[in-house]
Amino acid sequence: DAGITQSPRHKVTETGTPVTLRCHQTENHRYMYWYRQDPGHGLRLIHYSYGVKDTDKGEVSDGYSVSRSKTEDFLLTLESATSSQTSVYFCAISGAGLITEQYFGPGTRLTVT
Amino acid sequence: DAKTTQPTSMDCAEGRAANLPCNHSTISGNEYVYWYRQIHSQGPQYIIHGLKNNETNEMASLIITEDRKSSTLILPHATLRDTAVYYCIVRPNTGGGNKLTFGTGTQLKVEL
Repeated sequence: DAGITQSPRHKVTETGTPVTLRCHQTENHRYMYWYRQDPGHGLRLIHYSYGVKDTDKGEVSDGYSVSRSKTEDFLLTLESATSSQTSVYFCAISGAGLITEQYFGPGTRLTVT
Repeated sequence: DAKTTQPTSMDCAEGRAANLPCNHSTISGNEYVYWYRQIHSQGPQYIIHGLKNNETNEMASLIITEDRKSSTLILPHATLRDTAVYYCIVRPNTGGGNKLTFGTGTQLKVEL
C-alpha cells in the first residue's frame, strides 16, 4: 500500500468549531488531494495541491481551506464546522506525470453535531 | 471531462468473469479511461487505465471499443473480495493535476 496516513481517523465536533484534518505521505509525490464522500454521491474534490505552497480549488471548496508547507503534509481546515460538512474525507496522492494513478488514504470520518 | 454512465449494480458468481460496462459517448481524443474500485469504507483503489488499446494487468483487463464510446472492465475470475463499487472515470491527459471526477459507480456483488 502507498504510504498515506490520515489523522484523526474519526472525529466528532460541534457546529462552529474549527477542525483540521491531516494527510501525511511518505512517497514524495508532487500532487495531493482532498475529497469528501457522502451517501448517494461519488467522491467530490475539495482542494488539491501541485507542490509546496501551491494549491487550487476543487468542485466543493466552499467552507474549506488547505495548506501545504512540506511535501509530505497536506492539511484540510474547516474554519467553522457545519452539519453539512459531516462526511468521510479521503486524501489522495499522485506523481508528477499527467497519466498517473491516484493512491488514497484510509479516510477520516467527521461528524459535526 | 466527458460524462460516464454505468449500471447501478451487478451480480456475479464467484469464479466467473465479471464484465462491467461503461458508456462514455462524448469522450474526446485526449481523454483516458480510468477504473477505480472502492471496497466498503476503504479509500478507492486504482485498477487500470487506457486510451484506445486494450490493456491488461494483474488485476483486470480493459476493453475499449474502436470508436472509444464505451469500455468494459473485466475481472477474469471474480472472488468475494472483488465485491466493491467500481468507478469508470474519463479525464484528459492535460495539466492541472490528475483530478478525478467520480460518479456513483457500479456496485458489484460477487456471490457464492
